[in-house]
Amino acid sequence: GAGVSQSPSNKVTEKGKDVELRCDPISGHTALYWYRQSLGQGLEFLIYFQGNSAPDKSGLPSDRFSAERTGGSVSTLTIQRTQQEDSAVYLCASSYDRASNYGYTFGSGTRLTVV
Amino acid sequence: AQSVTQLGSHVSVSEGALVLLRCNYSSSVPPYLFWYVQYPNQGLQLLLKYTTGATLVKGINGFEAEFKKSETSFHLTKPSAHMSDAAEYFCAVSAYSSASKIIFGSGTRLSIRP
Repeated sequence: GAGVSQSPSNKVTEKGKDVELRCDPISGHTALYWYRQSLGQGLEFLIYFQGNSAPDKSGLPSDRFSAERTGGSVSTLTIQRTQQEDSAVYLCASSYDRASNYGYTFGSGTRLTVV
Repeated sequence: AQSVTQLGSHVSVSEGALVLLRCNYSSSVPPYLFWYVQYPNQGLQLLLKYTTGATLVKGINGFEAEFKKSETSFHLTKPSAHMSDAAEYFCAVSAYSSASKIIFGSGTRLSIRP
């Protein structure tokens, strides 16, 4: 596609429910990143994919968080048993090969609210 | 390891005045540096980047930044602020590595006074 697409744009869920957030990167971008942006905070790195593998998942805050990428394209971030502290904007970005050379292209994010 | 410090969580300038947003970085290897802008309810957009070569980098919307190795700084400037520049600005650092991710600062909110 022309840009990075994320869905849903907004999600309200009850505490304890599972949620899935989707990211569709720019066609041909091999690198894909998930970040979390809490209110008034900077961007917190979650996980990085190169193709379908995740060489760096050091930012996932707990084992309730997982992510996968299939076909070198779409990625899904899953949060199990959501907690109120999971409320944030989840941003996906993609890059042609190494982000350090090209920078990222970001999606508009998914705003997750856990009530 | 890399890290970024943005000095000032909120900066307010008058329309037409100089914009200066400060960023200092820490990196154990030569850094790649970025500035991103985030308008309300939107994703982040790349303003400019420094990888190698000329240390003064020009970006979109009249912004520029200068890489100063001796000061470990990458401050963002614009000679004359416009109302449309009001946004959140993020400085970021990365390094060329096999698992390259970009580390972001905590952001600076820029307000423009009429």
